[in-house]
Amino acid sequence: KAGVTQTPRYLIKTRGQQVTLSCSPISGHRSVSWYQQTPGQGLQFLFEYFSETQRNKGNFPGRFSGRQFSNSRSEMNVSTLELGDSALYLCASSFSGEHNEQFFGPGTRLTVL
Amino acid sequence: LAKTTQPISMDSYEGQEVNITCSHNNIATNDYITWYQQFPSQGPRFIIQGYKTKVTNEVASLFIPADRKSSTLSLPRVSLSDTAVYYCLVGDIMALYKLSFGAGTTVTVRA
Repeated sequence: KAGVTQTPRYLIKTRGQQVTLSCSPISGHRSVSWYQQTPGQGLQFLFEYFSETQRNKGNFPGRFSGRQFSNSRSEMNVSTLELGDSALYLCASSFSGEHNEQFFGPGTRLTVL
Repeated sequence: LAKTTQPISMDSYEGQEVNITCSHNNIATNDYITWYQQFPSQGPRFIIQGYKTKVTNEVASLFIPADRKSSTLSLPRVSLSDTAVYYCLVGDIMALYKLSFGAGTTVTVRA
């Protein structure tokens, strides 16, 4: 069974631009969560989608948004990029979100210049 | 989620047993203890989870004392490939999809 895939793996943007990241969950998984990981803040929860609906949201500004499609694939969008948005963005999928084990993708490394 | 405290780093040698202790004084009745492993430029990987006493799988063992205010992850006979960051998480098993990771413990295994 293929794992969680994320595209692109690396991305360089400039301040003020916007970016869209993509995540394909494991086949059959309906829950997709997004996380931001930085050296200073560690790994922080952004939001979780289940059956095309945002079910939970972390403490991030409205510039961070996401969506989920009917095939469970998810996208995350960050608008008006700031230098502090440079991070590794991780996507994780699980069958229902309530299961104890999440499967993480390799992440997208975003650099904002 | 309950706050956790674990050592910033640990060094070991191949073939040794590595024990990482995590403190979680404010653990709630419904909280489970979960450990994840993360290699550079990769997402975290689930290692083990437990509620009380001892849990063992093919990768590690998790020891949880009766008061549950701490837990110890034990990695038997480590190899160079076990060099990674290990995260201890404590929380309601029904809310683990919004995990909050701390700084973790960087384990370095030397030859």
